[in-house]
Amino acid sequence: QSALTQPASVSGSPGQSITISCIGSNSDLGAYSYVSWYQQHPGKAPKLLIYYVTYRPSGVSNRFSGSKSGNTASLTISGLQAEDEADYYCSSFTSSSTLVFGGGTKVTVL
Amino acid sequence: EVQLVESGGGLVKPGGSLRLSCAASGFTFSSYMMNWVRQAPGKGLEWISSIGGDDGFIYYADSVKGRLTVSRDNAKNSLYLQMNSLRAEDTAVYYCAKRLSTGTSLDYFDHWGQGTLVTVSS
Repeated sequence: QSALTQPASVSGSPGQSITISCIGSNSDLGAYSYVSWYQQHPGKAPKLLIYYVTYRPSGVSNRFSGSKSGNTASLTISGLQAEDEADYYCSSFTSSSTLVFGGGTKVTVL
Repeated sequence: EVQLVESGGGLVKPGGSLRLSCAASGFTFSSYMMNWVRQAPGKGLEWISSIGGDDGFIYYADSVKGRLTVSRDNAKNSLYLQMNSLRAEDTAVYYCAKRLSTGTSLDYFDHWGQGTLVTVSS
């Protein structure tokens, strides 16, 4: 199972909105809504930001939102803040009964 | 408060074995699917295995099938990963993670441990 495709890096200025894409296939993103997004700061464990495409766990800022269309999922961060600088990973259930992550996107706040 | 604490990592020679443990607290351990995710140095996340609350569902990534074995002891609130025939490419931080809700789908992990580093090198 190949990793989902994410851009290596995305940047934006404080207050701006950015969107991270996650491209899969008909065997994962295109077939299931078990899509999630994680944030990981350097040296820390990942943190669940979004699950089931659009849902936010309790305590996660509403500046983070998710969506999906066909084989592509997206994470949008609005009102970008310095603390949002981190790596972001998407993940999806697959038709092989496995879980696949994206390669990760480094977000830089300019 | 949910806590997951991994242990057992270290330096091992290629072909060697290691057993990782994850001690869980703060939730009804037996009700949740537990998972192992690893991250090679400077690389992304890789899911490697999951086990249902009653051991009824066990899943492995192709990259580790036949070499790594996941298990759990609900009486001890502990998750394990037996790693055999280790290779250099198994070098990574290994995280245990709890599924968001009860059930057996492979989907979302809402609590993660701090990770334990496994280094495979001669």
